Amino acid sequence: GENVEQHPSTLSVQEGDSAVIKCTYSDSASNYFPWYKQELGKRPQLIIDIRSNVGEKKDQRIAVTLNKTAKHFSLHITETQPEDSAVYFCAAPASGGGADGLTFGKGTHLIIQP
Amino acid sequence: EAQVTQNPRYLITVTGKKLTVTCSQNMNHEYMSWYRQDPGLGLRQIYYSMNVEVTDKGDVPEGYKVSRKEKRNFPLILESPSPNQTSLYFCASSLAWVSEQFFGPGTRLTVL
Repeated sequence: GENVEQHPSTLSVQEGDSAVIKCTYSDSASNYFPWYKQELGKRPQLIIDIRSNVGEKKDQRIAVTLNKTAKHFSLHITETQPEDSAVYFCAAPASGGGADGLTFGKGTHLIIQP
Repeated sequence: EAQVTQNPRYLITVTGKKLTVTCSQNMNHEYMSWYRQDPGLGLRQIYYSMNVEVTDKGDVPEGYKVSRKEKRNFPLILESPSPNQTSLYFCASSLAWVSEQFFGPGTRLTVL
């Protein structure tokens, strides 16, 4: 099955600075890479995803990049704000082809310092 | 309103007392999953289902059972709970595995 590793486990940045969270995956057949945000006491919610036929996707201050050769993808948050403080999870299909759910990384706790 | 619901939201029980956590979605999704969330371990898939009567084990299925008799419902059953099943549980549903998963509000379970 897929193995997803996520780094760092905790990231503290100054408000207004950028934050980058990285994930690696093991199955070269994986073709879908979502990012979920979980605020304290809340459920995870999708913030952005990317499919293997593109290298980058942006949505306002959030972007995701994918390097299929190196088997890693990253979440970029620019101009961070206090409401960006949360735990972020990356994920990939559990069996590469997407037939049996998602495997999640262990999460990154993003702290935005005022 | 499109949503995934779980009940109960909080449960404290004792070792060996059978319990069921219900999950229901109103979005006509075929795909449903159960996850447990533990500090430092992220979200780990317990069981998943691709349609009615089709279920399969995820990464941590030991001690759990599921059923999918109706498309909208996907209950999680702990027949003999143990303290190591103390965790935060999330149900999720989606149109496909490679699409947005909608999570329920979570069930915090404590097994004494």
